[in-house]
Amino acid sequence: NAGVTQTPKFRILKIGQSMTLQCTQDMNHNYMYWYRQDPGMGLKLIYYSVGAGITDKGEVPNGYNVSRSTTEDFPLRLELAAPSQTSVYFCASRQTVDNQPQHFGDGTRLSIL
Amino acid sequence: AQKITQTQPGMFVQEKEAVTLDCTYDTSDPSYGLFWYKQPSSGEMIFLIYQGSYDQQNATEGRYSLNFQKARKSANLVISASQLGDSAMYFCAMREGFQGAQKLVFGQGTRLTINP
Repeated sequence: NAGVTQTPKFRILKIGQSMTLQCTQDMNHNYMYWYRQDPGMGLKLIYYSVGAGITDKGEVPNGYNVSRSTTEDFPLRLELAAPSQTSVYFCASRQTVDNQPQHFGDGTRLSIL
Repeated sequence: AQKITQTQPGMFVQEKEAVTLDCTYDTSDPSYGLFWYKQPSSGEMIFLIYQGSYDQQNATEGRYSLNFQKARKSANLVISASQLGDSAMYFCAMREGFQGAQKLVFGQGTRLTINP
């Protein structure tokens, strides 16, 4: 029972580099989300998707892009990495049924140096 | 304006005691839901309990219960008979509306430490 799987778990990037954080879920959830968590803070929504081919911005989308070509996968792309993007990134998914909780992956710890 | 406020940055409790973690929220939407998540030192986010704005009774899940006071806009988490494994960060989160993506807004969290 894999749930939400994020890769990689850790990554160090140099300023200006790009990378893609992978997220896949095996629960056939339509709704998927990307959050970032800065040290000592709560989670902030970056992007979300309500189904394949449909994405929308959250609270802090600048510097990121997403795509959703399949129900299972929701990758997050960082272009031109900046130190301000050093954070822990969480992917989550949820059933379409109302009031269901979001299920989170284990997170990706990203450092930009 | 901050929608979720957790006023206790840290709490220290003796093992086996009950503990209440505070959460207040702000919304003008009559339809909303409140979630509590636990984040242990290993970093994962674990769903604990949910309360809907129209639920007539306070939610309970094992040792977790939610003290929901709608007029005061508070949704405090109560952990009974605390255990060492309860030491973690606890986040309160709110979603507004029943339709659509039901995005969550998180509070800043409370770090709970259970002392033996």
